[in-house]
Amino acid sequence: EAAVTQSPRNKVTVTGGNVTLSCRQTNSHNYMYWYRQDTGHGLRLIHYSYGAGNLQIGDVPDGYKATRTTQEDFFLLLELASPSQTSLYFCASSARDWGEDTQYFGPGTRLLVL
Amino acid sequence: QQKVQQSPESLSVPEGGMASLNCTSSDRNFQYFWWYRQHSGEGPKALMSIFSDGDKKEGRFTAHLNKASLHVSLHIRDSQPSDSALYFCAANTGGLSGKLTFGEGTQVTVIS
Repeated sequence: EAAVTQSPRNKVTVTGGNVTLSCRQTNSHNYMYWYRQDTGHGLRLIHYSYGAGNLQIGDVPDGYKATRTTQEDFFLLLELASPSQTSLYFCASSARDWGEDTQYFGPGTRLLVL
Repeated sequence: QQKVQQSPESLSVPEGGMASLNCTSSDRNFQYFWWYRQHSGEGPKALMSIFSDGDKKEGRFTAHLNKASLHVSLHIRDSQPSDSALYFCAANTGGLSGKLTFGEGTQVTVIS
């Protein structure tokens, strides 16, 4: 089973603060994704990446940056955090770029912006 | 507007009973569909995928896809307490991106 880890698991920051969420996958997957989960909205894609150095914009990218430093590591950056970014964040990875591919999710990071 | 809509929002089913979840897409480009399950405090996990019209059965779970009506359903037979979870329908168009569009989810509670 594919393994995806996230850190931290919980984070509290203040409005205007900087936050970095980390994700690592150890399954040599090419694709990695960042989602946010909010009640009533399901999972919404923030950014994703095809490989190291690549970044693609998702469906709700405003206020977020991301960077893929290696095949294993994908980071989500909130440079001026706002209360609207309080959410549960998930990282996922998948092996291939075709429609049939399954995504594997990490355990999530709960972020509270005061 | 949400491109993948699920119903009902929540569902209670007696242990041993049948749970039926529905998902409708508003995008005719969607070709591939998944059901993901999320237990409380965990990340979503793929339950099953379906890409062709008709039924697909995996153990107690049966998915049904009708691409003409853009409708996919999930039926859970002999529901167990461990089936209590949030179930997401997800779809994509295929191609290079692998982007998934998720529905809002259906909360299933199995009552002992």
